[in-house]
Amino acid sequence: AQKITQTQPGMFVQEKEAVTLDCTYDTSDPSYGLFWYKQPSSGEMIFLIYQGSYDQQNATEGRYSLNFQKARKSANLVISASQLGDSAMYFCAMSLNQAGTALIFGKGTTLSVSS
Amino acid sequence: EAGVAQSPRYKIIEKRQSVAFWCNPISGHATLYWYQQILGQGPKLLIQFQNNGVVDDSQLPKDRFSAERLKGVDSTLKIQPAKLEDSAVYLCASSLLPGTTNTEAFFGQGTRLTVV
Repeated sequence: AQKITQTQPGMFVQEKEAVTLDCTYDTSDPSYGLFWYKQPSSGEMIFLIYQGSYDQQNATEGRYSLNFQKARKSANLVISASQLGDSAMYFCAMSLNQAGTALIFGKGTTLSVSS
Repeated sequence: EAGVAQSPRYKIIEKRQSVAFWCNPISGHATLYWYQQILGQGPKLLIQFQNNGVVDDSQLPKDRFSAERLKGVDSTLKIQPAKLEDSAVYLCASSLLPGTTNTEAFFGQGTRLTVV
């Protein structure tokens, strides 16, 4: 069965520091995608970054990068130079290369950025 | 491009009452999802539509929850009768067409339901 595990309920970081949010996944499908979403207190889910299972390089989007270690089945999100506005819930999610498959989410990690 | 629209944003009802949520996906998106997000947890899929057909409703509590997507555009999710444990945020999302791994889902702002 497909599963996403996020083991850090909460993380704390100071402004301008980098932080890593952990995500491990489980699937037997060779073709899959990994997403990170941010959910502020207002509730909307904001797409941050995507990594495909066949991508050779780690994905980067501005201050966000995804540390993809396929053999370890991990897809950690790295946020560089944290800002106060980064305080939110962060979800790791997986998609499969099968028609009709919805995203599978982890339980999330709450990130708190302090000044 | 307009995003996924949901209404209402907030709803408070008593247990055993009924409630309905509405979602209008991004224009042209064939796939629509309803997720339930209980406080402190990740979203859980309730039902997935492709156009106006149901693709997956295996986790929908069909004794009390129902959903429809008439004409393959907007959708309504209904709970009747509501229970205390239905208190959650109900998220609607849409995507072009799943089946490839990079099919991003776009989410609405959600409806926060409180059952008292």
